[in-house]
Amino acid sequence: DAKTTQPNSMESNEEEPVHLPCNHSTISGTDYIHWYRQLPSQGPEYVIHGLTSNVNNRMASLAIAEDRKSSTLILHRATLRDAAVYYCILRDVDKLSFGAGTTVTVRA
Amino acid sequence: DAGVIQSPRHEVTEMGQEVTLRCKPISGHNSLFWYRQTMMRGLELLIYFNNNVPIDDSGMPEDRFSAKMPNASFSTLKIQPSEPRDSAVYFCASSPLAGSTEAFFGQGTRLTVV
Repeated sequence: DAKTTQPNSMESNEEEPVHLPCNHSTISGTDYIHWYRQLPSQGPEYVIHGLTSNVNNRMASLAIAEDRKSSTLILHRATLRDAAVYYCILRDVDKLSFGAGTTVTVRA
Repeated sequence: DAGVIQSPRHEVTEMGQEVTLRCKPISGHNSLFWYRQTMMRGLELLIYFNNNVPIDDSGMPEDRFSAKMPNASFSTLKIQPSEPRDSAVYFCASSPLAGSTEAFFGQGTRLTVV
């Protein structure tokens, strides 16, 4: 499995942007970069994914490096509800394996 | 669609008993995943199926664990006999079969083995 590396934790203030980095230097050409998050006492939920180009949706933005060896998930204005564990995952066709993720804490 | 449905939501059983966890994936999804989550080990992929066929069960911890998917709308994860160290939250997820698609997770089954 292609592996990802994320910081263990990050803190942010409410209403400020959060930039979550992910390194995936062994990514293959067919791997999609996925981000999921897990709120306390809930199952993981999909946030966003991309292949080569930057992506935006209502939850977040995904910035992908030109060489695809790293990416950054951007939460534009953090709220208390964004406090969660964020997972960066590489997915080829089927397998979906999770690493340790980044625990995001949002201060009011 | 009601999403991925897991049952039961909570299960408390005695050591040595058989435990069966159930999952109903989203209709039309042809990949199904079983995960186990503990504080110590995080979210571990146990096994996944494509089109009802087990593809990779390398995450299944030992022979006491088994999983089946008899049809596209139902899967089970069985532990026999159960042990206290099996206590965890077990998640089921489903998705279309493609790297570009999102997976949907159930609410999980919290298993406690005493």
